[in-house]
Amino acid sequence: GENVEQHPSTLSVQEGDSAVIKCTYSDSASNYFPWYKQELGKRPQLIIDIRSNVGEKKDQRIAVTLNKTAKHFSLHITETQPEDSAVYFCAASSPTSYDKVIFGPGTSLSVIP
Amino acid sequence: NAGVMQNPRHLVRRRGQEARLRCSPMKGHSHVYWYRQLPEEGLKFMVYLQKENIIDESGMPKERFSAEFPKEGPSILRIQQVVRGDSAAYFCASSPLRSRGSYNEQFFGPGTRLTVL
Repeated sequence: GENVEQHPSTLSVQEGDSAVIKCTYSDSASNYFPWYKQELGKRPQLIIDIRSNVGEKKDQRIAVTLNKTAKHFSLHITETQPEDSAVYFCAASSPTSYDKVIFGPGTSLSVIP
Repeated sequence: NAGVMQNPRHLVRRRGQEARLRCSPMKGHSHVYWYRQLPEEGLKFMVYLQKENIIDESGMPKERFSAEFPKEGPSILRIQQVVRGDSAAYFCASSPLRSRGSYNEQFFGPGTRLTVL
C-alpha cells in the first residue's frame, strides 16, 4: 500500500522567512495530494491540494509542487507569520487503494516573531 | 451547510468498558473515514465506509474495534473492552460521492478525545 514520508519533522523559521516541507510517496498510481494544517487541539484543515495532472499550484502565500517522476511533492509557505505555526500533514491518495488518503507523519512548524 | 459533526467531543472510559464514537458527515457526503491520532503523532487511517458498506478496513485493529455506517443515522466507531493504549483522538472525515474524474477531498470533524483510565 501507499507510504508517505515527510521531512523535516520540526521546522523553526523567523517571521517573514519561507518554509519548505517535503514529502515522498511510494504508489506511482497516486493522483491526489492534499495538505492539511492542524493547530493544537483542533481538527486538520485542508489548506491546498494538487492533482497529478499539474506540476504546481499557488494560493496566496502557499504553493505546492509535484514531481511525479521522482514521486516528490512539496509545500512552500512564503512570508511566514506567527499564525502559520501548526503541524502540517502531507497526504496521498491512490485509486488503487480505494482512494483512501494516507498521511505523512507531520511537520511541526514554529514561526518565531 | 453544517460541517462534519462528531460526538461526544470528550469521552472517558475505564478499562474494560465500551466506547462508542459517532460521526455525522457533511450533508450530501456519502463516504466516511475514521482516523486515530495518538498524542503528538500523525493521522493513522483506520476504516473507509460508504452507506451500509465497509470499503476498506485495513487500518482497523483485528480485535475489539468495529465500524458501521447505516442507511440512516451517523457512522459509529465502536471499541470494546477498552485499554489504556486506546487513548487517542479519533477523527472522522467525509467526502462527497465521487463522479468520474473527481478527487477525494476530505473534510474533518472536530474529533473525539478518548481517555481510558
